[in-house]
Amino acid sequence: DQQVKQNSPSLSVQEGRISILNCDYTNSMFDYFLWYKKYPAEGPTFLISISSIKDKNEDGRFTVFLNKSAKHLSLHIVPSQPGDSAVYFCAASDAGKSTFGDGTTLTVKP
Amino acid sequence: GAGVSQSPSNKVTEKGKDVELRCDPISGHTALYWYRQSLGQGLEFLIYFQGNSAPDKSGLPSDRFSAERTGGSVSTLTIQRTQQEDSAVYLCASSQNRGYNEKLFFGSGTQLSVL
Repeated sequence: DQQVKQNSPSLSVQEGRISILNCDYTNSMFDYFLWYKKYPAEGPTFLISISSIKDKNEDGRFTVFLNKSAKHLSLHIVPSQPGDSAVYFCAASDAGKSTFGDGTTLTVKP
Repeated sequence: GAGVSQSPSNKVTEKGKDVELRCDPISGHTALYWYRQSLGQGLEFLIYFQGNSAPDKSGLPSDRFSAERTGGSVSTLTIQRTQQEDSAVYLCASSQNRGYNEKLFFGSGTQLSVL
């Protein structure tokens, strides 16, 4: 049973608009959540994270929101840029061990 | 460079052969992970090393898979008698320690193709 789910395999947005990527989890023991970005032929790179004691963390154009009661988190990118086009992985951590979702491919059109 | 290094970047092998994949973590990182990504799938945890502790092997899919980490640094993932379903990108990651606020630094992966 998949503990971390990214239900949208792909998302396409126009440059300058907001991108919203969603992630759901089932394990209430997860206490830390991370987003990674992956370009083709490269390994994932860390983007932003949030602790379970917070509901929002912002870093420049990237904001992560956490709704613990709904076991849902989202990544907002605004404004979106063509260079943001990549696969985005949601990860949830329990005592340091990360479980990843299947990823969402974001395409930002110029 | 200062990142996680994996070799080879690509490996093509015949079904039934053994393969070895290598990972050089970031210097000073005590935690080392192996994940694999099959086509269209997410990252599947395989095994984790932390210092001198016994490795967490809970993600290894079968006894054909094994890994070791020598001297607390370089790690080798070995797949014996490879099968076609083993074809995937094998990713290694390291971190400073398996602590609370953990982010992983990944290598570029080894693309394994089993014919």
